[in-house]
Amino acid sequence: SQQGEEDPQALSIQEGENATMNCSYKTSINNLQWYRQNSGRGLVHLILIRSNEREKHSGRLRVTLDTSKKSSSLLITASRAADTASYFCATEDRDDKIIFGKGTRLHILP
Amino acid sequence: EAQVTQNPRYLITVTGKKLTVTCSQNMNHEYMSWYRQDPGLGLRQIYYSMNVEVTDKGDVPEGYKVSRKEKRNFPLILESPSPNQTSLYFCASSFGPTQEYEQYFGPGTRLTVT
Repeated sequence: SQQGEEDPQALSIQEGENATMNCSYKTSINNLQWYRQNSGRGLVHLILIRSNEREKHSGRLRVTLDTSKKSSSLLITASRAADTASYFCATEDRDDKIIFGKGTRLHILP
Repeated sequence: EAQVTQNPRYLITVTGKKLTVTCSQNMNHEYMSWYRQDPGLGLRQIYYSMNVEVTDKGDVPEGYKVSRKEKRNFPLILESPSPNQTSLYFCASSFGPTQEYEQYFGPGTRLTVT
């Protein structure tokens, strides 16, 4: 079952620009998480936002959550070459199992 | 160093030949999971374990077995691998339920079944 879906599928921006990617989900959730994956490697946890939170920051990352629209966004400010990666949102399904989206591939151009 | 290790990292095998991919974590985590990642399909959970001797099916358990005899280890067993199990496999662990706690992922095992 597809719960979280990221948008866009792929994104290319110039180094220094901000990158925004979105995640939409279908059922109500308690938490939403964002992960990063460098090519072919394991996922790395970035941030967890709870359903009663609207915004959370971590360094250059800013995550928002709009439960009325069932959507979340991840903003990376002042992008760097090292931010090139795939980004996944993860939510829980009706059975409280975690479900990952298909990811957004972000490419930072020099 | 806190980590999740998987072995082997790369494996090419033939249809029907039983194989085991090991997974070990040194963080005393209760929860462990196995995922497979395929192009266009994202990351899908195969099995998970909430504690020793407690395992449960994820979204795509067919063709796989797991065991959790010790807290730190969670091997993935393919009794009779088939080509459709060619994939990139990840083991992950967390302190508690995966929807509430961050998961720590291993480096991945790239499996090819011919």
